[in-house]
Amino acid sequence: AQKVTQAQTEISVVEKEDVTLDCVYETRDTTYYLFWYKQPPSGELVFLIRRNSFDEQNEISGRYSWNFQKSTSSFNFTITASQVVDSAVYFCALSGTINEKLTFGTGTRLTIIP
Amino acid sequence: SQTIHQWPATLVQPVGSPLSLECTVEGTSNPNLYWYRQAAGRGLQLLFYSVGIGQISSEVPQNLSASRPQDRQFILSSKKLLLSDSGFYLCAWTGSTFDQPQHFGDGTRLSIL
Repeated sequence: AQKVTQAQTEISVVEKEDVTLDCVYETRDTTYYLFWYKQPPSGELVFLIRRNSFDEQNEISGRYSWNFQKSTSSFNFTITASQVVDSAVYFCALSGTINEKLTFGTGTRLTIIP
Repeated sequence: SQTIHQWPATLVQPVGSPLSLECTVEGTSNPNLYWYRQAAGRGLQLLFYSVGIGQISSEVPQNLSASRPQDRQFILSSKKLLLSDSGFYLCAWTGSTFDQPQHFGDGTRLSIL
């Protein structure tokens, strides 16, 4: 069975600080995908990144960066120089390659204090 | 480009009443479609997914059912709603070859009174 753990329920940081959201996963699949989604107060889920299990290269997109470490089964997400617009609930998710059913973590509510 | 539509955005229903939530996708054919539910303060749980017309897989036993009468239409239904059916329902799609991630609709916030 697949499982995603986001141990941080809520995080608050002051604007311009860096913040890292943790994600730990469990799976028996040798090939899988990892995802991050952002859920702003309006409720929709916004796709941020998908990472294949064979690609352990870290990725950077603007102020966002992701650190994938298979050895620790972690896929952490860092926001650099946080902004108020980053305030949202962030979900980490995992899927195998069949039907891509997503298993979500319980989410981390990030609040950026102006 | 592809878009996904869900309606209604908000719904308040009494216990025991029926339910029908609709989701449609535009700009693609033969999508894989998914229904998720997000209970208050919790993560998302997959309810149903469909890889084609009339093909529905259920992930958890529940008071709900799903149907796919057309290629790009996915409907979530209930004959009699329970209080525990309250939540935020999200529809999602991905391509038939899973070459892209799931993209979600704006969701339906369902409150049962």
